[in-house]
Amino acid sequence: GAVVSQHPSRVICKSGTSVKIECRSLDFQATTMFWYRQFPKQSLMLMATSNEGSKATYEQGVEKDKFLINHASLTLSTLTVTSAHPEDSSFYICSARMGLGNEQFFGPGTRLTVL
Amino acid sequence: GEDVEQSLFLSVREGDSSVINCTYTDSSSTYLYWYKQEPGAGLQLLTYIFSNMDMKQDQRLTVLLNKKDKHLSLRIADTQTGDSAIYFCAESMTGGSYIPTFGRGTSLIVHP
Repeated sequence: GAVVSQHPSRVICKSGTSVKIECRSLDFQATTMFWYRQFPKQSLMLMATSNEGSKATYEQGVEKDKFLINHASLTLSTLTVTSAHPEDSSFYICSARMGLGNEQFFGPGTRLTVL
Repeated sequence: GEDVEQSLFLSVREGDSSVINCTYTDSSSTYLYWYKQEPGAGLQLLTYIFSNMDMKQDQRLTVLLNKKDKHLSLRIADTQTGDSAIYFCAESMTGGSYIPTFGRGTSLIVHP
């Protein structure tokens, strides 16, 4: 099946710094990528949907200036958590799909810890 | 209430069958999914069912859908220790661009 990678898998940063997480589709071109956030024992919450070459669509309650998403190519999307705070600590998962109605393939996730 | 609900834990003995249940609220759901998440990993799509189907079987997995009661279940036959994971139920609609809405996940623990 199709493979989606994320980098880094874990990151620890100090409060106030910015962190960039990369999501790559390794063997297919992803017209759409999704970013999710998962808290312990909680469901995946969709943060935003990004289509290659256009601005991301953020879900209600997600601060677009806080969580910057760039989908510059058909194989790469990045999520930058700006001025991170401890409450931003979470497991961030991306997914990608080739087209509308196609299966989403999920990355392995990135564990962010903000001290 | 939440759109997709699941019980949080299920413990079974190795070799037994596991049944994970899910209820959803949106009657216009088109697809219903079961995903598996192993510790520290992303989600893996196990199986999905169209809303006009009642049952789907794939090797050890059986999905049952009761559309009237908005109830979905996943049965894993001959459960193995490698099946220990969190299982997420999800639903999506054609009008929602097929973006799944997930439940909280059921943590399946398989003990010898």
